[in-house]
Amino acid sequence: GQQVMQIPQYQHVQEGEDFTTYCNSSTTLSNIQWYKQRPGGHPVFLIQLVKSGEVKKQKRLTFQFGEAKKNSSLHITATQTTDVGTYFCAGTNTGTASKLTFGTGTRLQVTL
Amino acid sequence: DAGITQSPRHKVTETGTPVTLRCHQTENHRYMYWYRQDPGHGLRLIHYSYGVKDTDKGEVSDGYSVSRSKTEDFLLTLESATSSQTSVYFCAISERLAGVNIQYFGAGTRLSVL
Repeated sequence: GQQVMQIPQYQHVQEGEDFTTYCNSSTTLSNIQWYKQRPGGHPVFLIQLVKSGEVKKQKRLTFQFGEAKKNSSLHITATQTTDVGTYFCAGTNTGTASKLTFGTGTRLQVTL
Repeated sequence: DAGITQSPRHKVTETGTPVTLRCHQTENHRYMYWYRQDPGHGLRLIHYSYGVKDTDKGEVSDGYSVSRSKTEDFLLTLESATSSQTSVYFCAISERLAGVNIQYFGAGTRLSVL
């Protein structure tokens, strides 16, 4: 079945440093979504990317969808303590828009 | 969020006992999902429903069954709980907004099987 891996599994940064998490799918995706889960909380939708090579920004967060639609990345510029949490990518395949396959997640810790 | 309530929030049970987790939604969403979350595995889909009495298996459905007798309730049952089913369980609904199918999650149920 489809597998979606994320690296790194965990990253600890100092506040103000940049952070990137990478998401790789074993199959071509129809679209990819990103979710954030704060410690002790539940996943919350951030964004969806659909087009090959698409780049979207949300303030300090930059999301990219690879040309082959098999990988994606999330880059945070100048991290803040409010960025702490686990970031998940989640992909769908053509014909299964109602089902998401979540990545393994990257846990981000930010210290002062 | 999105009117989703999971119950119970925490449960400790013994191996071999049946357990039922409940997900209740108040906004008449068609799609509902059950996931389990474990370290290193992310969120894995157990079962999902696309309407009353319409359900399908996810990637980790063995040992779990579901029922949806009315739109607002989606039940997850562990027929005979095992220690490997110790996990955090999340229910979710899907809502289409501006052409995007967004999943909204409940607060989760932490289950410990001893």
